[in-house]
Amino acid sequence: AQSVAQPEDQVNVAEGNPLTVKCTYSVSGNPYLFWYVQYPNRGLQFLLKYITGDNLVKGSYGFEAEFNKSQTSFHLKKPSALVSDSALYFCAVRVILTGGGNKLTFGTGTQLKVEL
Amino acid sequence: NAGVTQTPKFQVLKTGQSMTLQCAQDMNHEYMSWYRQDPGMGLRLIHYSVGAGITDQGEVPNGYNVSRSTTEDFPLRLLSAAPSQTSVYFCASSPDSGVSLTDTQYFGPGTRLTVL
Repeated sequence: AQSVAQPEDQVNVAEGNPLTVKCTYSVSGNPYLFWYVQYPNRGLQFLLKYITGDNLVKGSYGFEAEFNKSQTSFHLKKPSALVSDSALYFCAVRVILTGGGNKLTFGTGTQLKVEL
Repeated sequence: NAGVTQTPKFQVLKTGQSMTLQCAQDMNHEYMSWYRQDPGMGLRLIHYSVGAGITDQGEVPNGYNVSRSTTEDFPLRLLSAAPSQTSVYFCASSPDSGVSLTDTQYFGPGTRLTVL
């Protein structure tokens, strides 16, 4: 089965420090990977995606993600964290359904807490 | 563009009641889907539609019904609500018809449903 895993339930980082939110994937074929962020009582907002090409993907709000095929990872990063980055982050992979559609298979989420 | 809109934002039902969660998008997207979000489980696909008049089941379709009479609207019906359906429901849309795995899915703000 195609899946993603987020090994950390919570990540704590001080404001101004770099942050990393980890994601590993298990996919047969080409992986199409996404990162979303969810602020409290809000919907999911798209941050970035990896389709093909450059292994370093840049996204919204200063976030970027590094695709590593040998380690089957797609970690989310930001050089300097802000308190306002505190939120729930989801990694996801797009998979084909037998009925002809597709879906996002999500990880369980990582709560990021940025403190002063 | 309003993007993906959902109503209501909150709803409390009694066991056995029925209701419809509304979802609309103004981006002329072909692909729409419904997910439910439960703690520690990420998001799971309920139903999806690759275009007007076409719907199919996702991972957890039991107890839910959908229809897609227009491109813009994709309502989710709870036929006889059960406490196990207490969850946060998200509608999503993307431009592709379901075959492409590279398009971004955009999410609505969610409906928080409690079934007593």
